[in-house]
Amino acid sequence: SQQGEEDPQALSIQEGENATMNCSYKTSINNLQWYRQNSGRGLVHLILIRSNEREKHSGRLRVTLDTSKKSSSLLITASRAADTASYFCARRPSGSARQLTFGSGTQLTVLP
Amino acid sequence: IAGITQAPTSQILAAGRRMTLRCTQDMRHNAMYWYRQDLGLGLRLIHYSNTAGTTGKGEVPDGYSVSRANTDDFPLTLASAVPSQTSVYFCASSPDRRWFYGYTFGSGTRLTVV
Repeated sequence: SQQGEEDPQALSIQEGENATMNCSYKTSINNLQWYRQNSGRGLVHLILIRSNEREKHSGRLRVTLDTSKKSSSLLITASRAADTASYFCARRPSGSARQLTFGSGTQLTVLP
Repeated sequence: IAGITQAPTSQILAAGRRMTLRCTQDMRHNAMYWYRQDLGLGLRLIHYSNTAGTTGKGEVPDGYSVSRANTDDFPLTLASAVPSQTSVYFCASSPDRRWFYGYTFGSGTRLTVV
């Protein structure tokens, strides 16, 4: 079963605006990862944040993690039409040899 | 270009038929995974392999089998396809099973069982 949710399911914004997507989970994690999927393509790894980190940046991406609330957010600043894609968070549960568990994703549309 | 190759890209399959989805990686990654993606359900893990010669069951393994004879290849077999196996199948890999690695994904196989 899916161990958490992304919110919102769909998001539509204008080019240049910021986009924020949220992810919640239920069990303890070693890390949380964000992936992007363009239509008809495979997933691409964007960023990984460890359970002892609170914030991480990569270019226009900013990820936060609040382990007390079991939640994470992905902020894309100054969005571009090319950012249109589905975004997934994936949890790596605590414990040895645990595989990634993905949510159902947020569909982001950036309008030119 | 280093990465994961999946074949076929898409397939229409009659129910009851056997089919093998192929996955090959050239990154010498030890760990490999098969996920299925269904609308509204995200990705669900079918089977995984932490290293050549070993495999394990994921969240939805029923009706599927895998083998890992070598590091590069990780085929997924549907022994007798059913319509509920209509989905997009993704193969992925990581350098090993340790928690600090992200996954590299293939482009997927779109399978329709009729």
